[in-house]
Formats: sequence, C-alpha cells, structure tokens
Amino acid sequence: KAGVTQTPRYLIKTRGQQVTLSCSPISGHRSVSWYQQTPGQGLQFLFEYFSETQRNKGNFPGRFSGRQFSNSRSEMNVSTLELGDSALYLCASSISGTAPNSPLHFGNGTRLTVT
Amino acid sequence: DAKTTQPPSMDCAEGRAANLPCNHSTISGNEYVYWYRQIHSQGPQYIIHGLKNNETNEMASLIITEDRKSSTLILPHATLRDTAVYYCIHEGTTDSWGKLQFGAGTQVVVTP
Repeated sequence: KAGVTQTPRYLIKTRGQQVTLSCSPISGHRSVSWYQQTPGQGLQFLFEYFSETQRNKGNFPGRFSGRQFSNSRSEMNVSTLELGDSALYLCASSISGTAPNSPLHFGNGTRLTVT
Repeated sequence: DAKTTQPPSMDCAEGRAANLPCNHSTISGNEYVYWYRQIHSQGPQYIIHGLKNNETNEMASLIITEDRKSSTLILPHATLRDTAVYYCIHEGTTDSWGKLQFGAGTQVVVTP
C-alpha cells in the first residue's frame, strides 16, 4: 500500500507570497492532519480534516488554512508568507484520527523556504 | 508544552537491545501511549501504541507500568538504521483528533 505522498518536496517563496501544499493520504484513510516542524519549536499541530470538515485546529494565525476534498486528499495554504514560516510541513493520515487503533502515518514533508 | 519526559539522548551498540524510557505522570485513564521515531529528513514513523497492557509488534515492544505513569520502548536488536529521534506521546480520543503533542524526544545513536 502506498504511503502518504506530499508535493512538492521542496519550495522556495518570497515574503508576501502565498503557497499551497498538497497531501495524498493512504488509501482508505479519511483523516488528514498537518504539522509544522522547525528547529526552534519542534513539531506543532496545525489542523485536522475528516470527511471534508475541519475537526481540530492548532494555535496558528488565520494565514494558515486548509481543506480536504471528497477523495480525502488535502491541501494547506499559507498566505502573506513571513520569514518565520520557513519550515518542514508534514501531512499525516489515519483511518479516523487519533483513536486507539488509528495511529497517524506521516509523509516525508514539504520543505518551505521563505526568502 | 509536551506532557512527557524523555532523556535527551542515548547511545546504543549495534545488535544490543535499546531501552528507551518515558515518564508520563499526567496521563489520564482513557489516553494511549504512542511511540514514533523520526529519521533525519523524513517524517515521523509510527512504532507502537498501548493503553495498559504490554504490546509487541515487528518493530518493538512497549512496556507500560501498572500505574501507567511511565513506559519503556524496547528495540530488541538495534541496527544502524534505528538511529533516530524517538518520541513518546500520550493522547486521548475525540477532542484530540489528529493532534499529537510532540516533545523534544530522545536522540538515539546506534554505533557499530
């Protein structure tokens, strides 16, 4: 079974621009979560989607948004990029979210650099 | 802030067992203990999880104390490919959909 696929793998953007990252979950998985990883803050939860609905959200500004499509694929968008948005963005999928027998399976991330 | 406490680093000889401790004294009754690891430049990889019974799979064993305030991940025969940051996390259900609170983890280095 194919794993979680994230595209693109690397991205370079300029301050003020916006960016869209894509995530294809494992087949059959309906929950998709997004995380930001930086050297200073570590792994931080952004939001989670299930059946096209956002069920949970972390403490990030409104510039960070996401959506999920009917085939469970997900995108996240960051508008008005800041230098501090430079990070590894990770997507994780699971059958139903954080539940006893529904662990998260992560992709290898998109490395975003903002200049 | 992370709800678990782990040693920042550990060394292990190749072929030997690696025992990774984790304290989670604030764990509540319905929360599970999860272990993940992250190899450099990759996303975190799920290893194992449990509630109160010891668990074993093809990757590792998880030993949870009777009071559930601590656990140990055991890699039975460490290989160089097990060099990674290991994260211990406890989370419940429903209100924590998709959310795992990662701490700093334990950097494990397996040496030849």
